[in-house]
Amino acid sequence: DTGVSQNPRHKITKRGQNVTFRCDPISEHNRLYWYRQTLGQGPEFLTYFQNEAQLEKSRLLSDRFSAERPKGSFSTLEIQRTEQGDSAMYLCASSLFSGKAPYEQYFGPGTRLTVT
Amino acid sequence: QQQVKQSPQSLIVQKGGIPIINCAYENTAFDYFPWYQQFPGKGPALLIAIRPDVSEKKEGRFTISFNKSAKQFSLHIMDSQPGDSATYFCAASIKAAGNKLTFGGGTRVLVKP
Repeated sequence: DTGVSQNPRHKITKRGQNVTFRCDPISEHNRLYWYRQTLGQGPEFLTYFQNEAQLEKSRLLSDRFSAERPKGSFSTLEIQRTEQGDSAMYLCASSLFSGKAPYEQYFGPGTRLTVT
Repeated sequence: QQQVKQSPQSLIVQKGGIPIINCAYENTAFDYFPWYQQFPGKGPALLIAIRPDVSEKKEGRFTISFNKSAKQFSLHIMDSQPGDSATYFCAASIKAAGNKLTFGGGTRVLVKP
């Protein structure tokens, strides 16, 4: 499978615990995006990387959230001191940015986080 | 502020019917408009996309119509099938702003056999 992969697919944690999610993009893609989707809503942008550089973070991304893409390949999203409001599907997408179209972003299956 | 408004929230059609989903945007800087299909428990899958210099685009049974002056675009699903039952999202992005996607609220489509 050469698509975007995410692990774990499901995570149940207790409030106050830290969690980390991993995203492996399509191999030649240099851009990687994180989105959050709550039930019945469209995904919302959190942050994105071009290669290893984090270029933008949304205001949605509080100080408890941190993301890395250390070698420009896979990325991790960590949430510290989880809160019940963090319960959501966390989606990763990747794209090949070459300065011209196409701009297609391909999504992974997501990590469903439940904070109890 | 919701920059992309999608309607209706849900839609029921008979097999062979043509569900039509509409989206309106506010930011005239948007320069890329994709549609995604999402099944329960899965990530969104890219269906078709359009840029504002094109008024219509067809890929298989999916057609996007784009009205730049009205700042509206729509998705038509021709000859709909029960397997098309899913939630559909429109989105928009700006190349110069990193192509981060702004999504509509989604439309749940049910195609009855």
